[in-house]
Amino acid sequence: EVQLVESGGGLVQPGGSLRLSCAASGFTFNTFAMSWVRQTPGKGLEWVSAMNFDGGNTYYAGSVKGRFTISRDNSKNTLYLQMNSLRAEDAAIYYCARLRVGATAHFDYWGQGSLVTVSS
Amino acid sequence: IVLTQSPGTLSLSPGERAVLSCRASQSVNSMFLAWYQQRPGQAPRLLIYSASSRATGIPDRFSGSGSGTDFTLTISRLEPEDFAVYYCQHYASSSWTFGQGTKVEIK
Repeated sequence: EVQLVESGGGLVQPGGSLRLSCAASGFTFNTFAMSWVRQTPGKGLEWVSAMNFDGGNTYYAGSVKGRFTISRDNSKNTLYLQMNSLRAEDAAIYYCARLRVGATAHFDYWGQGSLVTVSS
Repeated sequence: IVLTQSPGTLSLSPGERAVLSCRASQSVNSMFLAWYQQRPGQAPRLLIYSASSRATGIPDRFSGSGSGTDFTLTISRLEPEDFAVYYCQHYASSSWTFGQGTKVEIK
């Protein structure tokens, strides 16, 4: 059974940093692209970042480019999102998702999410 | 590319047919169009990918269709567990976009 478990969310002040982790199990992690998607009540679902299977290619939404960094440790079956210079508008539930790429490009499994609150 | 879903809310009774629309601001590759269901307090769940292919374990009452700029998700007969929010999603140029969602509520 595919499982994705996020951790690392919490309360952070504007301008602060936070690192999210996503522990994967139930599939061969090092053969799949992975992604982060966030959700706010006002803006719905927003794709944040993606990375290919070996970490050689990374992609970012314009709203986070230069502030967020996606990475992965295939030896630990874990995906990360380093978030710096956090803003109030970054407050959201952050989901880790497995990404199917090639002839298609969709998110076939999702974690339960990690809540990030940005407030002073 | 902007995805616009309609209606915003659909009020129906169990057993009725639901038809949800997703319109793209320009023609898109249907291979990159997907639909998700999100129940309250849960993560999104993949329903349909490549516009019309059902994901693993998805009941056949869910079907997707469309091409170009207009795509449709149809739920043939609503079950109680189908009352949820539905999102369409598209991929292009190393970027993924979601529609704003359609809520299917019990009438």
